[in-house]
Amino acid sequence: AQSVTQLGSHVSVSEGALVLLRCNYSSSVPPYLFWYVQYPNQGLQLLLKYTTGATLVKGINGFEAEFKKSETSFHLTKPSAHMSDAAEYFCAVSRVKTGNQFYFGTGTSLTVIP
Amino acid sequence: KAGVTQTPRYLIKTRGQQVTLSCSPISGHRSVSWYQQTPGQGLQFLFEYFSETQRNKGNFPGRFSGRQFSNSRSEMNVSTLELGDSALYLCASSLDGSLPIQYFGAGTRLSVL
Repeated sequence: AQSVTQLGSHVSVSEGALVLLRCNYSSSVPPYLFWYVQYPNQGLQLLLKYTTGATLVKGINGFEAEFKKSETSFHLTKPSAHMSDAAEYFCAVSRVKTGNQFYFGTGTSLTVIP
Repeated sequence: KAGVTQTPRYLIKTRGQQVTLSCSPISGHRSVSWYQQTPGQGLQFLFEYFSETQRNKGNFPGRFSGRQFSNSRSEMNVSTLELGDSALYLCASSLDGSLPIQYFGAGTRLSVL
């Protein structure tokens, strides 16, 4: 079975501060890992993905995440928060073996304080 | 290239009614997945269709059903609506292959009164 745990359902940061959103997964085999962002009344937009190769992946809007197999983690970071980063962020895991079935974390709501 | 299109965007129904939601995937994508999103439960997987066949199914009652047409468009049906079915229903499409990236539509907001 696979699962995704996002620590912290709500995170607040000051504008310009570091953003760190945590994600841990459990998987019996190396998974594919994703971060999605959701703005109010919209669907999910892909931020970045890890499949194979380099463990530090860069995404859109200045976000990046590092795959750490030993820690089963895939934390999302951004050096300097912007007001427009306020949104809901979801970590997800998938394996091709299971078809296109994604397992999502419960989400982290990011608030950016001016 | 057009994205994933879901219609309608908003729906209001009453208990006991049934509803059909539609999803048009990105051109060339043959896999369509459906999710229910609620504040309490987060994103829950309903089912996935590929080439008109249900390939994966989540843990939802039989009142929730779906189908996929030969042009990959998909519909989701919920019968005998309950208050707890109020949610944002999201559709995602993907190419079938070694990298299952899912692209999401804006969703259909269903309110059951």
